[in-house]
Amino acid sequence: EAGVTQFPSHSVIEKGQTVTLRCDPISGHDNLYWYRRVMGKEIKFLLHFVKESKQDESGMPNNRFLAERTGGTYSTLKVQPAELEDSGVYFCASSRGGIGSYNSPLHFGNGTRLTVT
Amino acid sequence: RKEVEQDPGPFNVPEGATVAFNCTYSNSASQSFFWYRQDCRKEPKLLMSVYSSGNEDGRFTAQLNRASQYISLLIRDSKLSDSATYLCVVNANFGNEKLTFGTGTRLTIIP
Repeated sequence: EAGVTQFPSHSVIEKGQTVTLRCDPISGHDNLYWYRRVMGKEIKFLLHFVKESKQDESGMPNNRFLAERTGGTYSTLKVQPAELEDSGVYFCASSRGGIGSYNSPLHFGNGTRLTVT
Repeated sequence: RKEVEQDPGPFNVPEGATVAFNCTYSNSASQSFFWYRQDCRKEPKLLMSVYSSGNEDGRFTAQLNRASQYISLLIRDSKLSDSATYLCVVNANFGNEKLTFGTGTRLTIIP
């Protein structure tokens, strides 16, 4: 079974530019999550999709961040325009069932390391 | 106060020793608890879920104390491959899919 894949693995952009991160979840996983870790801080929740629907986007920092999951397969997270404080590692995760479901752990991708200069 | 607090370490422990980590959480309504492991520049991976009665998986034992709102992880007979950052993770309540992470405890096993 292929794992969660994220692209790109690294991205360096200038302040004010746009970046789009992509996540391909494990096939058949309806639940898709975005998390991020800024330097020195804990990993924080951004949002959660079930199929193509946003279930919870309470962790999105501001309206410069836009996540989509058209067709309920892969997801993109766009940052426009990027600011210095957006630098960090953006993780995507997927699961078959919800967190409370038995034997339905979250599988994380290796992350996209974003640097805004 | 952070929602999930962990001692960041680092813990430097000789191979074969037993090491224990604790974690406290602030939301008394929390329902699900986990320990994740993260190797340097890698993704977090689920180590084990933590159940109310406590649970064991090989050399790893997890305990939950709801009254005191803390979770522990015990690693026995530590191996060099146990070197990693251990993340305490909590889910607030059923129907809420958001995981709350601690900052992690860094463990290094010394040969």
